Amino acid sequence: QSALTQPASVSGSPGQSITISCTETSSDVGVYNLVSWYQHHPGKGPKLLIYEGSKRPSGVSNRFSGSNSGNTASLTISGLQAEDEADYYCCTYAGLSSFVVFGGGTKLTVL
Amino acid sequence: QVQLQESGPGLVKPSGTLSLTCAVSGGSLSGTNWWSWVRQPPGKGLEWIGEVYHSGNTNYNPSLKSRVTISIDKSKNQFSLKLNSLTAADTAVYYCARDQHGDRSNWFDPWGQGTLVTVSS
Repeated sequence: QSALTQPASVSGSPGQSITISCTETSSDVGVYNLVSWYQHHPGKGPKLLIYEGSKRPSGVSNRFSGSNSGNTASLTISGLQAEDEADYYCCTYAGLSSFVVFGGGTKLTVL
Repeated sequence: QVQLQESGPGLVKPSGTLSLTCAVSGGSLSGTNWWSWVRQPPGKGLEWIGEVYHSGNTNYNPSLKSRVTISIDKSKNQFSLKLNSLTAADTAVYYCARDQHGDRSNWFDPWGQGTLVTVSS
């Protein structure tokens, strides 16, 4: 069964860049399935940031970028801003056994 | 642009059934998209519940499959979630979302704002 592991928390100062990892434990994410990334502010619905590993929907800032390397997907946020403080989730299609799996989420703190 | 809005009771009793509806505006339920429910228990992460296609085909999270029914009403442009045999562990914010499938992926966009359902007597 597929599972996605994210760090519980990351932090950075305004203007810095941070990277959040998402490691898939049962197959090679980069080869088989592509990850999507979501930003979630409390009290709101999650917002799609990245789909198919590295594609950015229209309207999403180019400060957000996604990549894959082996079984690890990554979300990079450059030029950190106060409003980036939120929870971030990765998600993948896990096949007919589980269909959709979310990572445990990463809390980003902007210092 | 497509917008989604969840509605339903905010308090349900243990062993009862949760019933939520997601109204879709600005677009049709037909086409190539699926439509999903996702939940977030207090202090925890997101959990996918299941999805429905305009044909009525469904897929469910194996851990919830025995208790979940997702249906679609194209005439009202809405889809619904029923979850039975409720326990306190089902207390969560429930979100609906448009679910798009690629060759090796899926993604959710947009999402509703969510509705809190508390299971308590």
